[in-house]
Amino acid sequence: QSILTQPPSVSGATGQRVTISCTRSSSNFGSTYDIHWYQQLPGAAPKLLIYSGSNRPSGVPARFSASTSGPSASLAITGLQADDEALYYCQSYDTTLRAWVFGGGTRLNVL
Amino acid sequence: EVQLVESGGGFVQPGRSLRLSCVGSGFTFENFAMHWVRQAPGQGLEWVSGLSWDSGGVGYANSVKGRFSISRDNAKRSLHLQMNNLTIEDTALYYCVQASKLGMASSGATFDNWGQGTLVTVSS
Repeated sequence: QSILTQPPSVSGATGQRVTISCTRSSSNFGSTYDIHWYQQLPGAAPKLLIYSGSNRPSGVPARFSASTSGPSASLAITGLQADDEALYYCQSYDTTLRAWVFGGGTRLNVL
Repeated sequence: EVQLVESGGGFVQPGRSLRLSCVGSGFTFENFAMHWVRQAPGQGLEWVSGLSWDSGGVGYANSVKGRFSISRDNAKRSLHLQMNNLTIEDTALYYCVQASKLGMASSGATFDNWGQGTLVTVSS
């Protein structure tokens, strides 16, 4: 069972806004480790989408944003587009396991 | 342009061994930690192992500890994963990943660049 918990799927219509949550077991994660987000398009390798809570790498549209509040993080996508359909993963480092951990992944369906 | 090219995957019987390799280009290989991440068919991402820039820091997922061994050769810009005593549960696409920092578990480190993966199938 993943200790970074994400909903299995979310859906939204083209142009709408959706959010994806990621909740971590606070006892497992050091406060110095941020949550990062990755996007995996169909048939492709994952790509870094958001890092250290709310920062976007070069080339990632501003439609993608994220925030952190306590043990939870949230990825928001506005102005949904068909090619946003993908799997989205959160990631952090578990200081108890001494291991990098990914959430179970959330499949975004664009209606 | 950063490129990570994995090789060594294939079909293997349970209990046997396999060695994966990854060659990096387009970046200063010795300046970054490297990782292996796998994805079983239809499943999510699972971190397998990571190694710091100088091989001084290493980590393994509990699922592979004692069976897998990660290593690197900075002179050859290569990363390796020796996988022993393979089980059916090790069947997955294995990605080579370049991290953003030197240390295997550096605070703030991200998994910046990913290869296309090499498929390992364990079956009798």
